[in-house]
Amino acid sequence: AQSVTQLDSHVSVSEGTPVLLRCNYSSSYSPSLFWYVQHPNKGLQLLLKYTSAATLVKGINGFEAEFKKSETSFHLTKPSAHMSDAAEYFCVVRPLNRDDKIIFGKGTRLHILP
Amino acid sequence: DAGVIQSPRHEVTEMGQEVTLRCKPISGHNSLFWYRQTMMRGLELLIYFNNNVPIDDSGMPEDRFSAKMPNASFSTLKIQPSEPRDSAVYFCASSSGQGGTGELFFGEGSRLTVL
Repeated sequence: AQSVTQLDSHVSVSEGTPVLLRCNYSSSYSPSLFWYVQHPNKGLQLLLKYTSAATLVKGINGFEAEFKKSETSFHLTKPSAHMSDAAEYFCVVRPLNRDDKIIFGKGTRLHILP
Repeated sequence: DAGVIQSPRHEVTEMGQEVTLRCKPISGHNSLFWYRQTMMRGLELLIYFNNNVPIDDSGMPEDRFSAKMPNASFSTLKIQPSEPRDSAVYFCASSSGQGGTGELFFGEGSRLTVL
């Protein structure tokens, strides 16, 4: 069975400091993995995706994530937080079999402190 | 290239009224998803279609909810009769079901308030 766990429901960092949002997944086969961002009153926007190519994936707005199969993790990082990064972030697992369910994590709300 | 288009963006209605939400997926995408988002329950998958056929509707709350996809470029989600607990943001998303990297593209959502 597929599952995804976002380990923190809230993360607070100061502007200019690094960001780490944690995600662990469970999947029978190597899935596609995604991070989405949702700003207030907006839809979900794709930040980055892993699809069995390079394990370090670069996304928009300076975010990147590393796929670690041995740890079944796909943590999202950014070297320096900006006020505009304040939003909710979702880790998503999509199985190889496209008919299987796409699994969303419960989300991590990122707060940026001035 | 236009993204997923949803209408209306906002809907305020009274309990018992019928509500119809509409979605136009990205051209060429053959999978379409309806999600509901609330503070209490987060993001929930209601139903998804592949090639206009409903594949999994196990997330549809009850018989008051129905969804259709009469063609590849249009889908509706209907609530009849509506209740205050249906108040939420409803998102439509589309995806390339076969091939591609499988990411979902979301619309801006329809915010429903049932009084």
